[in-house]
Amino acid sequence: DAGVTQSPTHLIKTRGQQVTLRCSPISGHKSVSWYQQVLGQGPQFIFQYYEKEERGRGNFPDRFSARQFPNYSSELNVNALLLGDSALYLCASSVVGGRAGSEQFFGPGTRLTVL
Amino acid sequence: KNEVEQSPQNLTAQEGEFITINCSYSVGISALHWLQQHPGGGIVSLFMLSSGKKKHGRLIATINIQEKHSSLHITASHPRDSAVYICALNYGGSQGNLIFGKGTKLSVKP
Repeated sequence: DAGVTQSPTHLIKTRGQQVTLRCSPISGHKSVSWYQQVLGQGPQFIFQYYEKEERGRGNFPDRFSARQFPNYSSELNVNALLLGDSALYLCASSVVGGRAGSEQFFGPGTRLTVL
Repeated sequence: KNEVEQSPQNLTAQEGEFITINCSYSVGISALHWLQQHPGGGIVSLFMLSSGKKKHGRLIATINIQEKHSSLHITASHPRDSAVYICALNYGGSQGNLIFGKGTKLSVKP
């Protein structure tokens, strides 16, 4: 069975540009969460989507947005990129949303570098 | 104050040693996760705990809800165990809202 997949694996952008990151969850998983991991830190929660609806949002500016599609895949968009947006962006899927304590399965991440 | 504190931050061990990594937290949780992250970034879920103890191979995880503390133990450590181990909490009623510790970087020398 395929795990969580993310694309692209690496990305280099310049300040002010926009970026779209993609995530495909494990088959049968309906919940997708996005995390940002800056070098040397633990991941920080950005968004959770379940059944195409936003279920949670972390402390990130409005430049960050996301959506979930009918096939449960998800996109994370970041506008007006800043140097500080350089990070590893992780996607995680789980079977259900809204029920506490469901195991999350992580993708390999997209490493974004903003120059 | 961070909701999740891990110790130690860095740990170097000799192959075969018994290793303990600790996680303390200050908020009410529904579950605690232990994750492993190798260089390059990929994260693997090792355990999800809400009470008691779990064992998988050489790995053992325990949690004490009253003490708000969890430990990850590695028996007979091996160089391939070298990685960053991260404690993460399910918090706030939304299972997607994981709060992560900063991780413990483990290096096991042959």
